[in-house]
This record gives sequence, structure tokens and C-alpha cells, in this order.
Amino acid sequence: KNQVEQSPQSLIILEGKNCTLQCNYTVSPFSNLRWYKQDTGRGPVSLTIMTFSENTKSNGRYTATLDADTKQSSLHITASQLSDSASYICVVVGLGDYKLSFGAGTTVTVRA
Amino acid sequence: NAGVTQTPKFQVLKTGQSMTLQCAQDMNHEYMSWYRQDPGMGLRLIHYSVGAGITDQGEVPNGYNVSRSTTEDFPLRLLSAAPSQTSVYFCASSYEGAWDTEAFFGQGTRLTVV
Repeated sequence: KNQVEQSPQSLIILEGKNCTLQCNYTVSPFSNLRWYKQDTGRGPVSLTIMTFSENTKSNGRYTATLDADTKQSSLHITASQLSDSASYICVVVGLGDYKLSFGAGTTVTVRA
Repeated sequence: NAGVTQTPKFQVLKTGQSMTLQCAQDMNHEYMSWYRQDPGMGLRLIHYSVGAGITDQGEVPNGYNVSRSTTEDFPLRLLSAAPSQTSVYFCASSYEGAWDTEAFFGQGTRLTVV
């Protein structure tokens, strides 16, 4: 059973609009949660890393939130640009674990 | 500083053939790992290494071998390719361990087994 679930599977937004992606996880105990951006044909690139004690972290127009009590995270994209078209992957790391648990990703398409 | 370099970028194999996917990093990272990415699924760990001479299996190791003779290189070998191994393969590295440091990914190798 996948320990990291993302929603929606895909979404389309107009350039300049905002959107929010969701991530629910069951990994426990929990060390950190990461959001990656993966452009088509490329490897994942890190956007944010949050430990259990952090509620929010920003990277430019990307803002990630974390609720460790409910085991939920979100990634908010502000004022979307065409270059934001990509897959966004939620990754959760267990405490003292070697393994990264990956969500299946949300594919975001930004249209002009 | 090239980061994590994977070769080749694309490969087509016939069933039963063997090949090696190359991965090299120039960041002096101890931890390296191989993942496969299939449609609709998250990346899955194949094998990993916590340092030269040390390797271990991930969650989907069958049909793959690895070795770590140097810190820089971590090749993935397909012993006898099968259509089920058609996938995109990613190599990743990090400084100390997967649990608390940033992981850097290569560009990927798209493998098709016919």
C-alpha cells in the first residue's frame, strides 16, 4: 500500500492563477517531507524540505505547508507561469530511514 | 560541478539482453541510489549504497545488480532484460543519508525492452 497519496492526479490552470496540491501520508515515525518538481524528461528537483516541527516553507512562488498531526501537506503555487507546467512529487522520509517514499505526483499544466 | 550524470539517456534492448546503466556524481556524496519510475506510480527504490563497497537492496531489486567500487560511480546492471523492466531509471545521491539531507537526481535513462 502506498504510504504517500497525492491529489489531484492532474490539473489545468490559466497563467497567472493560483493552485494548491495535496499530499496525505501514513509514514510514521516521520522525519521530513519534501516537494519536488519534475519537468518532462528530467529528474526531480527539490523545492522544499520540511521537518515535523515546521508548518510552512516557501521557495519563491511555491509555498509548502505541513500538518504533522493530520499527516497532510499542501503545495501552493502563486501567480502560475508557463514554466510551472510539470509534475509535482511529494516525498516523505521516515525517522532514521534510508528510504524515500514517493507519491505518484500531480501533473500541472499551465495554459496561456 | 556536473552533479549526477546518467548515461545513456535512451536505450532499447531485446528481451534477454544485458546492459549497464551508468551513474556518476562529483559531489563526494556517500549515499547513492537507483529508482525506477513507472506511469501512475511513485519512484521505487531498486538498490542503494551508503558508501564505497557497501550496497543493499531496495523494494524492487529482482533482475538488477549493483556495485560501488568508488565513491563517484554506482552502475546498475540488468542481467537479462525483460519487458517488465521497461521504465525510466533515476540515479540519486546525497551527502550523508536519505533521511536528513537533500537528494540530487540525474536526468534519467529511458529504457525500453522489446
